Amino acid sequence: KAGVTQTPRYLIKTRGQQVTLSCSPISGHRSVSWYQQTPGQGLQFLFEYFSETQRNKGNFPGRFSGRQFSNSRSEMNVSTLELGDSALYLCASSRQRGAGHGYTFGSGTRLTVV
Amino acid sequence: AQSVSQHNHHVILSEAASLELGCNYSYGGTVNLFWYVQYPGQHLQLLLKYFSGDPLVKGIKGFEAEFIKSKFSFNLRKPSVQWSDTAEYFCAVENSGAGSYQLTFGKGTKLSVIP
Repeated sequence: KAGVTQTPRYLIKTRGQQVTLSCSPISGHRSVSWYQQTPGQGLQFLFEYFSETQRNKGNFPGRFSGRQFSNSRSEMNVSTLELGDSALYLCASSRQRGAGHGYTFGSGTRLTVV
Repeated sequence: AQSVSQHNHHVILSEAASLELGCNYSYGGTVNLFWYVQYPGQHLQLLLKYFSGDPLVKGIKGFEAEFIKSKFSFNLRKPSVQWSDTAEYFCAVENSGAGSYQLTFGKGTKLSVIP
């Protein structure tokens, strides 16, 4: 079966710009969660979406936002980019809410802010 | 807020050596526990998980982990490592009682296996 698809794989943006990242979950998976991975902070939870609704949000500023569409695809947006936003952004999908239902992670989008 | 500690940042072992990676979490409620692995250039994959029942859980590729509730620990073990086990290993906790469904990860342990 096709895995979780994240696009683009790599992005370079300038400080102050905004960026949109996309995540297509496995067919039939209704839950999508986003994580930020950096060398200093490790993996940190950003948000969780289920049935087009944000169910949970991590400790990130309001510049980080997201949404989920009726086909379960999700996007996250970061506005007014800062150098510290450089990271690998991962999304994970599952049939129902929670890692217990079997998260499948995508390969991530590597964002570099210059 | 819950937190997860992985004791070792980088572990170097020779092939056939035994492996134990430590993981402790701080949260007093009901938790689900996970170990994930990230091979070089690949996405995060689930190694094993614990929800309830037998505290010794077996995962893929010969890995196992033991949940010790009194110590808030969930250590990963493998009796004999192979070069192909070279990867980064992440312990993660999900607070199953709060309905928040977010994973809290440890900082990861890089394992290098020398042939």
